[in-house]
Order: sequence, then structure tokens, then C-alpha cells
Amino acid sequence: AQSVTQLDSQVPVFEEAPVELRCNYSSSVSVYLFWYVQYPNQGLQLLLKYLSGSTLVKGINGFEAEFNKSQTSFHLRKPSVHISDTAEYFCAVSADSSASKIIFGSGTRLSIRP
Amino acid sequence: GAVVSQHPSRVICKSGTSVKIECRSLDFQATTMFWYRQFPKKSLMLMATSNEGSKATYEQGVEKDKFLINHASLTLSTLTVTSAHPEDSSFYICSANSVLGTDTQYFGPGTRLTVL
Repeated sequence: AQSVTQLDSQVPVFEEAPVELRCNYSSSVSVYLFWYVQYPNQGLQLLLKYLSGSTLVKGINGFEAEFNKSQTSFHLRKPSVHISDTAEYFCAVSADSSASKIIFGSGTRLSIRP
Repeated sequence: GAVVSQHPSRVICKSGTSVKIECRSLDFQATTMFWYRQFPKKSLMLMATSNEGSKATYEQGVEKDKFLINHASLTLSTLTVTSAHPEDSSFYICSANSVLGTDTQYFGPGTRLTVL
């Protein structure tokens, strides 16, 4: 069985500051990892995904995440955030590369202060 | 591309009535569609997986007779909440995998159900 833990339910950050959203997972099998973003009143949008290969994954909107197998982490980072990054961010894990069954974390609300 | 729509976006109903929510893939064909439920300030919980033309596979603890899922075509899946009660109030989100087999689920905008 897989599970995902997002330790921070809310992260307030000043505009143009860097941000890291933490995600840890547990799994007894190889995993595929995802970060999704949910803007207010919208559906989920894929930010980035790790399936295999390079452990540093670059996604849309300047976000990147690093897969760390020894620490079972997949933290999301952005060097400089904008007001438009205000949203809910979900880390997710799947044992299937086709993402047929995804287990989501509880989400982290990123709020950007001007 | 890869847009998934849901209808309605919001619905309020009386306790005991049934509510149907539609999920459509607008610009691609979906072999598989998924239904999630999201509680306030909580994560998404997978309710069921539906494949076109076959019965849905429900997750443990989800009542199949209460949450009826139909996947009649490659672009449409419906979730019917039967005899709804206030505890069924939630945000329901669908997603779809393309027949092209890409490793990405495309999510709909969600439907807010409120049962009075």
C-alpha cells in the first residue's frame, strides 16, 4: 500500500521569495510521483511527475521537484513565487505508470503575500 | 487540449432525492474515468474506477448501490448519488485517462453537492 504525507497544511510566503512544499511517501513497490495544483474553483492540473530517470524533475510555471529515494521524499520547489501561484498543491503517488490509481496527500495551501 | 468538464458545477438537493453528475472528456477519448470525493480541507479520495462498457470498480468502503456509475461512451461517465443525505455533501471530482495511453490523468473542475 502507498501513502503520501504533506506535513504543511498551509505555507505563507512573500512574493518573489523561494518556497518549498514538503512531501513524503511510503510504498513497498516502485512508485511514480506527481504534484498537482488546484487553483480556486478549478480542477487539478498536473505540475510535474517523476516516473524514472533523472531525480530532478522540472514542471510548468517554474516549479521543480526532486525525488529522493533514501528519504522517501518528493519536495516541490520554486525559486521565486508570484501572486498567481496562490493555490492548493497536492502531492500524489501511484504504483502504476499510467497513473490508473493515484493516492493523494492532504494538500498544502500556498498563500503569497505582496 | 485534454479538457474534462463536469456538469453541474454546483447542485443543492433535498434529502432523499437522487442527483446525477456528468463527466465529459471534451477533446479526447477516455478509456478509463475516475471519480473522487474531496472533503473540506481534505485530500481527494478515489471512489471508483470506470471503464467504458463495463462495470465500475469501487474502492473499499464505497457503497456501489448508493453511488451509481455509468460509463456509456468513451467521452462520458456519470455518477448518480441515490437517496442523498446531508453526509453525502461534498466536492466530487472526475478524471480521465486518454485512449492514447498517456501516463496522465486529466481532472474535471469538480461538482459541489449540498444535500439539505
